Amino acid sequence: DTGVSQDPRHKITKRGQNVTFRCDPISEHNRLYWYRQTLGQGPEFLTYFQNEAQLEKSRLLSDRFSAERPKGSFSTLEIQRTEQGDSAMYLCASSFKGGHEQYFGPGTRLTVT
Amino acid sequence: KQEVTQIPAALSVPEGENLVLNCSFTDSAIYNLQWFRQDPGKGLTSLLLIQSSQREQTSGRLNASLDKSSGRSTLYIAASQPGDSATYLCAVLKAAGNKLTFGGGTRVLVKP
Repeated sequence: DTGVSQDPRHKITKRGQNVTFRCDPISEHNRLYWYRQTLGQGPEFLTYFQNEAQLEKSRLLSDRFSAERPKGSFSTLEIQRTEQGDSAMYLCASSFKGGHEQYFGPGTRLTVT
Repeated sequence: KQEVTQIPAALSVPEGENLVLNCSFTDSAIYNLQWFRQDPGKGLTSLLLIQSSQREQTSGRLNASLDKSSGRSTLYIAASQPGDSATYLCAVLKAAGNKLTFGGGTRVLVKP
């Protein structure tokens, strides 16, 4: 098993552009989570999926953010009309089921100029 | 609302000294607690997971204790090495919850 993977690892974009990140969880895990981490802080929860269903969204996830997990496997996180405040590390995690250990990917670092 | 605090924010020790990292949380209704390591610019590596019914977990030089009633966990790293230099994060999972709530981390530097 190769663990959780994320693509791209780094993204630099200009303010106002749209960006999309991808996360591939551990294959047998049905739960997938997105977190955001700003410099010097701990990660903050954004949203999670059980299979293809998005079951919870944080208030941090404004209407410019959308996440999908169309076939219950990989997930995408899209940010529309990026703002400088969106600059952060976006982390994806997966777990076998609720309450189980979460395994994190390497993250996607977004810089909005 | 659950709040998780890690003190100190940064710690510097000479090689060989034991490390003691503290984590406190405000709501004792937790399902489990995880300790993570994060190297600069990288993702999180899970170190230990303690279920709410457990008092401690051990893995090699690492030992984590949990006192749920007082809202505290401590991560001990024995005989520290320069390779232990990293940021250590604790996170709690609310009972019947789905999201981890993280502390701000403790940045550790082990000097050779």
